[in-house]
Amino acid sequence: QSALTQPASVSGSPGQSITISCTGTSSDVGGYNFVSWYQQYPGKAPKLMIFDVSNRPSGVSNRFSGSKSGNTASLTISGLQAEDEADYYCSSFTSSSSWVFGGGTKLTVL
Amino acid sequence: QLQLQESGPGLVKASETLSLTCTVSGGSISSNSYYWGWIRQPPGKGLEWIGSIYYSGSTYYNPSLKSRVSISVDTSKNHFSLKLSSVTAADTAVYYCARLSSAVGLSLDVWGQGTTVTVAS
Repeated sequence: QSALTQPASVSGSPGQSITISCTGTSSDVGGYNFVSWYQQYPGKAPKLMIFDVSNRPSGVSNRFSGSKSGNTASLTISGLQAEDEADYYCSSFTSSSSWVFGGGTKLTVL
Repeated sequence: QLQLQESGPGLVKASETLSLTCTVSGGSISSNSYYWGWIRQPPGKGLEWIGSIYYSGSTYYNPSLKSRVSISVDTSKNHFSLKLSSVTAADTAVYYCARLSSAVGLSLDVWGQGTTVTVAS
């Protein structure tokens, strides 16, 4: 299975909003509402930020939001903060009854 | 509080089988609300899904790795294991175990700290 497509990097200034896209196919992103987003700091395990396209786990800031249109899912971070600088990965359930990750996006807070 | 801990050799010879175990503490691996998974991350690269298992033994594998992967569960020891055969340098990675929870759409909500496995040629 092929990895989902994410931009390699995005950047934004504190207080701004940024959006990270995640493009798949009708066999994964487009076919299921099982899209998740993870945040990862260097040398650390990933942390779940969004599940089922747009739901936040308990304890995750409401500055993080998710959406989906067709085969593309998106993660939006509003009110950007320095602590948001990290790598972000999307993930989707697939028609093979497995999961697939995106290639990851490095977020830089300017 | 649920914790997951990976264990196993940090160095494996090429063509041999990589074996790792994930021990679950603070909760039961036999809950019908969870699956248990393995994910890896090569140095400087992104995450790759390896596979997952239910406590009953049902398994789901990444099609790209399916021919070399086996995941098993031992409910009496509250742990699950990964075997990856015929390893090459491309299998060098940090290997994570994690819980998939039905409460969050079977996303990975609890992770181990990860263990580094190097394949030596």
